[in-house]
Amino acid sequence: GAVVSQHPSRVICKSGTSVKIECRSLDFQATTMFWYRQFPKKSLMLMATSNEGSKATYEQGVEKDKFLINHASLTLSTLTVTSAHPEDSSFYICSARAGQGNQPQHFGDGTRLSIL
Amino acid sequence: AQKVTQAQTEISVVEKEDVTLDCVYETRDTTYYLFWYKQPPSGELVFLIRRNSFDEQNEISGRYSWNFQKSTSSFNFTITASQVVDSAVYFCALSEMGSGNTGKLIFGQGTTLQVKP
Repeated sequence: GAVVSQHPSRVICKSGTSVKIECRSLDFQATTMFWYRQFPKKSLMLMATSNEGSKATYEQGVEKDKFLINHASLTLSTLTVTSAHPEDSSFYICSARAGQGNQPQHFGDGTRLSIL
Repeated sequence: AQKVTQAQTEISVVEKEDVTLDCVYETRDTTYYLFWYKQPPSGELVFLIRRNSFDEQNEISGRYSWNFQKSTSSFNFTITASQVVDSAVYFCALSEMGSGNTGKLIFGQGTTLQVKP
């Protein structure tokens, strides 16, 4: 149980392109989803927290107009990197959690984004 | 302020050795949760364990065991008789449950474990 699917797993695109990443909880309802960014050999940096039907809460220093998050249902959240540039290249990972904060977050497999 | 420190950046052991991964945390909350996650080379994070701040019992799951000590704010992870498949990056994480907290995870820097045959 507690499977989170993230798609696509890898994206290579040109600078200026907008890229959408999907995160789905397959066998549970995710009241909260999280989006992380991970640089090579570094820890996970939380970008934003989203609750179904609400606006996402962004961490300090994360541009909300750059990283658009939509959490339209209890099983789907999307992250759109708008007008991506090479510095946006990174590994993006989503997680989903059912219930309250004491429940573990279950992670997707991540999306490796490369902007040329 | 909340913080998780994994002082060991990289550890290399030979198969069948026991290895302990250290985790020290800082928090002002009295109610919090601690987690360990495994990130193999393929990239996905795998949940290993959750422990709440009121439960200091050590836990064993197969070759894995965890030692939670509030007195030293530590939550160490031991792998007994390590195997090559244990090679991965391991993250310790803290989730505060006080008023106003969303339960977001604060991750340590991660420890890269390499188990050689």
